[in-house]
Amino acid sequence: EDQVTQSPEALRLQEGESSSLNCSYTVSGLRGLFWYRQDPGKGPEFLFTLYSAGEEKEKERLKATLTKKESFLHITAPKPEDSATYLCAVRGSNDYKLSFGAGTTVTVRA
Amino acid sequence: DGGITQSPKYLFRKEGQNVTLSCEQNLNHDAMYWYRQDPGQGLRLIYYSQIVNDFQKGDIAEGYSVSREKKESFPLTVTSAQKNPTAFYLCASSKGSMNTEAFFGQGTRLTVV
Repeated sequence: EDQVTQSPEALRLQEGESSSLNCSYTVSGLRGLFWYRQDPGKGPEFLFTLYSAGEEKEKERLKATLTKKESFLHITAPKPEDSATYLCAVRGSNDYKLSFGAGTTVTVRA
Repeated sequence: DGGITQSPKYLFRKEGQNVTLSCEQNLNHDAMYWYRQDPGQGLRLIYYSQIVNDFQKGDIAEGYSVSREKKESFPLTVTSAQKNPTAFYLCASSKGSMNTEAFFGQGTRLTVV
């Protein structure tokens, strides 16, 4: 069974203080690792897809990286508007379903 | 605009009643999904459908039912057999390829009163 573990559960940052979120996974035949951002009371918003170890994707202050066992979401010089819950999900080769971690809630203080 | 529309945004149900949550997409996606989200927990898969007239149970299907009569629509019924239905329900869709990301609607918050 596919498993996804995210750490830390919560992260409080000062504006401009860079940090990283971790997503550890076990999956049979990775077909994709996905990062989402979720604001309170809203549906998750897609950020990145990573397919193979060594791959990196960037969007504004966010950068996602992938190894064979984990993925990192790096937040560089965060702003208060980066405050959200960040979700990681994987899809394996066995079926179509996405398996999600519990998320990391990031709070950025001005 | 292309996207996924869930309705209603808020839903209140009396104990013992069945309720149906609507999910419509105009992205021409083949696959659709229903997830449940509880505070402090990750999204848990209820049902998913890879193609019209076909669907599979997810990890927590008990007390729920779905249909997929049209490509655009994937309604979820929360039956009276679901013991703890109060939650945030999210619908998603993706292209047919297993490599592609899923896109989510804005969710329906169901409360049992």
